[in-house]
Amino acid sequence: DAGVIQSPRHEVTEMGQEVTLRCKPISGHDYLFWYRQTMMRGLELLIYFNNNVPIDDSGMPEDRFSAKMPNASFSTLKIQPSEPRDSAVYFCASKGQGAGEQFFGPGTRLTVL
Amino acid sequence: AQSVTQPDIHITVSEGASLELRCNYSYGATPYLFWYVQSPGQGLQLLLKYFSGDTLVQGIKGFEAEFKRSQSSFNLRKPSVHWSDAAEYFCAVAADMRFGAGTRLTVKP
Repeated sequence: DAGVIQSPRHEVTEMGQEVTLRCKPISGHDYLFWYRQTMMRGLELLIYFNNNVPIDDSGMPEDRFSAKMPNASFSTLKIQPSEPRDSAVYFCASKGQGAGEQFFGPGTRLTVL
Repeated sequence: AQSVTQPDIHITVSEGASLELRCNYSYGATPYLFWYVQSPGQGLQLLLKYFSGDTLVQGIKGFEAEFKRSQSSFNLRKPSVHWSDAAEYFCAVAADMRFGAGTRLTVKP
């Protein structure tokens, strides 16, 4: 398996633009997580899905952030409009049923100018 | 609610010295606990995990961790640190997989 795939790896955009981050989880995994990592806040859980259904989105910072999982093999995290304070590394992770470990993607480094 | 605390933000050790990174958790029952490592510019990689049974668990790269219920701790250890161990280390507690703040390890030559 190729592992969790994220795209793009790097994104540079201007304030006010829409940003879409993409994630392909490991095949067969039922859970998908989106995290944001910054120096100030560390690793924050934004939202997670189970069987494509959002379970906990309490970590989504504002209405500007939205996440979807239209099918078991694809998820998006969208920021509209983007702001400089959204600059961070965004990680996607997936795991199977039960209490097993998460498998992380390589992350998307977002810079909002 | 479950939570995990890593009291040390940054630790520096000399190469060859022993290492212990602290992790304390808050949970009503026996938790599922994890340690992950993140090298610069990389995602997180699982080092080891504890679900039940033997309280001393072995992981990859020579790491081990001990679950101590009485202290609500799950500290990570390594007897002899290598320069390649320099990274950020995260403790996590299931089921919603929230992570501690992380401990950055610097290894001196």
